[in-house]
Amino acid sequence: DARVTQTPRHKVTEMGQEVTMRCQPILGHNTVFWYRQTMMQGLELLAYFRNRAPLDDSGMPKDRFSAEMPDATLATLKIQPSEPRDSAVYFCASGSVTLGRRTDTQYFGPGTRLTVL
Amino acid sequence: DQQVKQNSPSLSVQEGRISILNCDYTNSMFDYFLWYKKYPAEGPTFLISISSIKDKNEDGRFTVFLNKSAKHLSLHIVPSQPGDSAVYFCAASGGFRRGSQGNLIFGKGTKLSVKP
Repeated sequence: DARVTQTPRHKVTEMGQEVTMRCQPILGHNTVFWYRQTMMQGLELLAYFRNRAPLDDSGMPKDRFSAEMPDATLATLKIQPSEPRDSAVYFCASGSVTLGRRTDTQYFGPGTRLTVL
Repeated sequence: DQQVKQNSPSLSVQEGRISILNCDYTNSMFDYFLWYKKYPAEGPTFLISISSIKDKNEDGRFTVFLNKSAKHLSLHIVPSQPGDSAVYFCAASGGFRRGSQGNLIFGKGTKLSVKP
């Protein structure tokens, strides 16, 4: 049963602290997305990668957020320093995109609920 | 500037009846549409999709209808069951031929409550 995993599931931290969220995409998927869900904005795309290369991170506040894929089985989203307004649920999703084959379906992880006090 | 809109934040339906969730989009470049279902404390799960070359796609109790001229799609659930109670997100994609990289634009969701 292939699925996207995310750790931690919950994180409570104080303002100014560094937060790192991790995602393991489905094996064989070559595209990884990071989303943030808030009550006001719904699901916002923060960044995404294809074959580990960043394609678009225009949705992220650049001064404090960073996203990386150290290898094909791990994606990370880091916030430094964290602020109360960063409190939200952060989702990772993965998908498979290849030339000549159109597959836009994304599979989501369970999310990391972040609370910054 | 919301490109994908779900104008009803919530919908309540009696068990056994039809649930109709609506979604409007503004970008005519979108050519692939998806519906996701989300339970509390879980990630969205893929439900059903439709390509712009079709106007209907059916999967069991779920049917998605696409009206390209109106830039409107809808999800029909028949019959509705209490287990269908969740938030439903509509999403759209721009198509690779038009430069899309496979990213989805999501609506803000509609919370469906199916009452026994």
